[in-house]
Amino acid sequence: GAGVSQSPSNKVTEKGKDVELRCDPISGHTALYWYRQRLGQGLEFLIYFQGNSAPDKSGLPSDRFSAERTGESVSTLTIQRTQQEDSAVYLCASSSVGPGTPTYEQYFGPGTRLTVT
Amino acid sequence: GQNIDQPTEMTATEGAIVQINCTYQTSGFNGLFWYQQHAGEAPTFLSYNVLDGLEEKGRFSSFLSRSKGYSYLLLKELQMKDSASYLCAVGSYAGNNRKLIWGLGTSLAVNP
Repeated sequence: GAGVSQSPSNKVTEKGKDVELRCDPISGHTALYWYRQRLGQGLEFLIYFQGNSAPDKSGLPSDRFSAERTGESVSTLTIQRTQQEDSAVYLCASSSVGPGTPTYEQYFGPGTRLTVT
Repeated sequence: GQNIDQPTEMTATEGAIVQINCTYQTSGFNGLFWYQQHAGEAPTFLSYNVLDGLEEKGRFSSFLSRSKGYSYLLLKELQMKDSASYLCAVGSYAGNNRKLIWGLGTSLAVNP
């Protein structure tokens, strides 16, 4: 009965390198969200996956950012050619959507703290 | 447009009561959520309101007025561990697209 897990918990990378962040949602949750949270700031929506529907990519800040999800399981967020402004905590959340899920509550993982030097 | 407003910071004293307000203007409404986020941790769910009125859950209560686009989170018998950021979010759903619109959070400091 594990919750949402993310890896790595911390990542330090050099400017210009690519990074890949991983999210394992709660089993059976069809919706998966990626957020970015800069230090002292609010949650910034990045991308949303819902079942087999086309993802909502409206929050991705640039074409350096991309994400994939295999079915209703693991998702990876990839940032290419990282910049210092990409430094933030990247949070993943999952949600159960459908009959019998009255709240559409999102369950968050612990996040990946990305530092670009 | 979509807009959620809440105070940036609040301070209160241990044992007291504090009310954190949230006003919203969204294109759709499918419930209002409150989350708590301690420094360096992920947000955790506190409450959900979809109908007008007060929902009570222990020391925490949440109120909603849909006609006014207004909610508040009430924290009673404050404890030091309640020092955290409190995030207001509105469900804005269109078809299969279920997203939450998030406020920037209210940082609450509880002093002894």
